[in-house]
Amino acid sequence: QKEVEQDPGPLSVPEGAIVSLNCTYSNSAFQYFMWYRQYSRKGPELLMYTYSSGNKEDGRFTAQVDKSSKYISLFIRDSQPSDSATYLCAMSLPLTGRRALTFGSGTRLQVQP
Amino acid sequence: EAGVAQSPRYKIIEKRQSVAFWCNPISGHATLYWYQQILGQGPKLLIQFQNNGVVDDSQLPKDRFSAERLKGVDSTLKIQPAKLEDSAVYLCASSLRGVTRSTDTQYFGPGTRLTVL
Repeated sequence: QKEVEQDPGPLSVPEGAIVSLNCTYSNSAFQYFMWYRQYSRKGPELLMYTYSSGNKEDGRFTAQVDKSSKYISLFIRDSQPSDSATYLCAMSLPLTGRRALTFGSGTRLQVQP
Repeated sequence: EAGVAQSPRYKIIEKRQSVAFWCNPISGHATLYWYQQILGQGPKLLIQFQNNGVVDDSQLPKDRFSAERLKGVDSTLKIQPAKLEDSAVYLCASSLRGVTRSTDTQYFGPGTRLTVL
């Protein structure tokens, strides 16, 4: 079983739709949760970073963490064609532990104009 | 602020040949990571440096992969000899290594796409 599971998609939505992207994980020691966006032939760029359970909002993006269910989500409101990319969830251990990120396999999102 | 630089961007080699990738992290970033991203998968850590010392190389196939970070700045990753399954994007990332997670954000370079024929 992979430590982090993520539906690979592709997910195709019309412009303006609300998008929901999700990951589940098995290691309860993960403490930090991130969402990266990766455009084709580019490196991942950090979108959102959360530490505790709950919601965090940044513009059109909302990250949600439920540690009790080991489940994280990213919501994109009013999706735009420029949001078309692969979205990777990533997580890491406490600062005293291994700092490398453990990634999901990524969900490919296509927003149709 | 300049980002993480990597070269070359693309490389095609025959199996059993050797290849090297170069990474220049963001200025002042003490921690440097090399990740391997196989098509359709998320990046997987190969090696982590703190300044010029290795912190974690537990997932590096040491029989064929090597990496160094001289003077705690630039880094090179080498594969010798390459296998077909090494075809992937090799991503370099760097972070400040601060005491809070917000200052430990990893910034990624564009990657080197390796094709082994």
